[in-house]
Amino acid sequence: QVQLKESGPGLVKPSGTLSLTCAVFGGSISSSNWWSWVRQPPGKGLEWIGEIYHSGSTTYNPSLKSRVTISVDKSKNQFSLELSSVTAADTAVYYCTMRSNWFDPWGQGTLVTVSS
Amino acid sequence: QSVLTQPPSVSGAPGQRVTISCTGTSSNIGAGYDVHWYQQLPGKAPKLLIYRYTNRPSGVPDRFSGSKSGTSASLAITGLQAEDEADYYCQSYDNSLSGSVFGGGTKLTVL
Repeated sequence: QVQLKESGPGLVKPSGTLSLTCAVFGGSISSSNWWSWVRQPPGKGLEWIGEIYHSGSTTYNPSLKSRVTISVDKSKNQFSLELSSVTAADTAVYYCTMRSNWFDPWGQGTLVTVSS
Repeated sequence: QSVLTQPPSVSGAPGQRVTISCTGTSSNIGAGYDVHWYQQLPGKAPKLLIYRYTNRPSGVPDRFSGSKSGTSASLAITGLQAEDEADYYCQSYDNSLSGSVFGGGTKLTVL
């Protein structure tokens, strides 16, 4: 049973870079799945950010592509998200999740607030 | 503006049946990509509810069912219970965006 857990700073300054890591437990990140990030601004819906395969292949949401980098560390069985030039609009709960065709399971989510 | 369109809210009394629609376009549902549904309880992470239009993961009650019609999908919940009060999201793949897309979410209120 794969479990995911996000970690990283809960507060990021405007124009800074948001960095989060997702640890994968109970399964290998080298399995035939995509490892994804989804975010949810307070009171709003879900937005797919992007995803990575263990080979390093990535796909990003076109609306965020210029600011997003997702990477994988197979030795630590984890993957990471970096979002640059953040503004208050990037304040959200960030979830990591595994995608075969559908997203399952999901991490518990971590709230990242962009504020000075 | 979400790529997949859902009603913002639906409601029903305990025991009743409600449906939630998810309307797409020719670049997602209409292109033949699967639709999946998620339930998000208040303050919790989303949870897979229905995959590939009609399939329930282990542990999901058969009160929840999904269907497809053309460029739309629907989630039906029968025998409404108070614990079903949550936000529900549909999700698919969009070939013009080359990525996953979600509906805007539907808030279910059990009266």
